[in-house]
Amino acid sequence: AQTVTQSQPEMSVQEAETVTLSCTYDTSENNYYLFWYKQPPSRQMILVIRQEAYKQQNATENRFSVNFQKAAKSFSLKISDSQLGDTAMYFCAFATGGGGADGLTFGKGTHLIIQP
Amino acid sequence: GAVVSQHPSRVICKSGTSVKIECRSLDFQATTMFWYRQFPKQSLMLMATSNEGSKATYEQGVEKDKFLINHASLTLSTLTVTSAHPEDSSFYICSARVGGSRELFFGEGSRLTVL
Repeated sequence: AQTVTQSQPEMSVQEAETVTLSCTYDTSENNYYLFWYKQPPSRQMILVIRQEAYKQQNATENRFSVNFQKAAKSFSLKISDSQLGDTAMYFCAFATGGGGADGLTFGKGTHLIIQP
Repeated sequence: GAVVSQHPSRVICKSGTSVKIECRSLDFQATTMFWYRQFPKQSLMLMATSNEGSKATYEQGVEKDKFLINHASLTLSTLTVTSAHPEDSSFYICSARVGGSRELFFGEGSRLTVL
């Protein structure tokens, strides 16, 4: 079974600052996928960024980037030039590779607050 | 991206009644959908995997007779909470994959309150 750990229940930064959310995971699989999802107050889950484990290059989506350390089983999310709209719960998630029809395993989440 | 729609978004019912929540994939076919439950300020817990044309697969600890799942077509899965009790009050979220992607697309969620 896979586990996903987010050790920061809550973080708060000033607008325009850079913030890094941590995530570690445990798995015996070699082929898998990692995701960061955002859940704003509306409760709608929104994909922020994804990373395939076989890719060494860290994924980047505009202001969002990850630091994927496969050997350390670490998958942190960096948000640059943070904006008020980034305030939300952020969940790190894991999915096995292959053709298995399994759901995602989520971490407990980090509540990120962007202060004006 | 793919769109998943959930209905109703909010439902209040009396204890002992049954409530049905629908999950539809609007612009793609989903052979597999997933139902999650989320308590306030907590993470999403997978309840069951809904498979079109076959029985759902339930996670350990989830009562299959309490939470009935039906995946009648490639675009519709339903979750029925039977004989609801106040402890069933929660936020229920469905999700689906597009083809071979590992990414999940989520519905808007349904907040169930059992009085």
